Amino acid sequence: KAGVTQTPRYLIKTRGQQVTLSCSPISGHRSVSWYQQTPGQGLQFLFEYFSETQRNKGNFPGRFSGRQFSNSRSEMNVSTLELGDSALYLCASSLVPQGGTEAFFGQGTRLTVV
Amino acid sequence: AQSVTQPDIHITVSEGASLELRCNYSYGATPYLFWYVQSPGQGLQLLLKYFSGDTLVQGIKGFEAEFKRSQSSFNLRKPSVHWSDAAEYFCAVGFPLTGGGNKLTFGTGTQLKVEL
Repeated sequence: KAGVTQTPRYLIKTRGQQVTLSCSPISGHRSVSWYQQTPGQGLQFLFEYFSETQRNKGNFPGRFSGRQFSNSRSEMNVSTLELGDSALYLCASSLVPQGGTEAFFGQGTRLTVV
Repeated sequence: AQSVTQPDIHITVSEGASLELRCNYSYGATPYLFWYVQSPGQGLQLLLKYFSGDTLVQGIKGFEAEFKRSQSSFNLRKPSVHWSDAAEYFCAVGFPLTGGGNKLTFGTGTQLKVEL
């Protein structure tokens, strides 16, 4: 069974640009969550999608957005990039969002903003 | 507010020695508890989880963890560490959200170094 696939693995962007990251969850999983990991802030929750609907959002500015498609694949977008957006972005998939279902993570996308 | 504390930022152990990584959480009810491991440049791999039932849970790679409600702790243990266990370990707690679903709140991680 294939795991969570995130593309691309690495990205270098310039301040002010926008970027789109992609996540394909494990087959059959309908919930996708996104996390940002930085040395200073650690792992922080961005948002969660289930059945193409954003159910929850973390404490991030509106420049961070996402969506989920009917096949459960998800994308996140960051507009007007800032240097502080440099981070490892991790996607996690779960069977369903309710209850204590375990989340399986992809290898992440390393975004560097210069 | 919910929080997760991993008091040890760095731990060094000798190969073959036992290991215990500490995790404490703050939450009004019994949360869902997880331990993840991350190797450099990689994503997070789930080691084990606790949802309910037996408070001693077994995971992959010979790890186990014990949930102690009275201490709000979920410490990770391994009886004999291997050099390949060197990595960063994250304790995470699943909290339900008002919109349904739940999110993971992570501790700051413990970097494990294994001396040969």
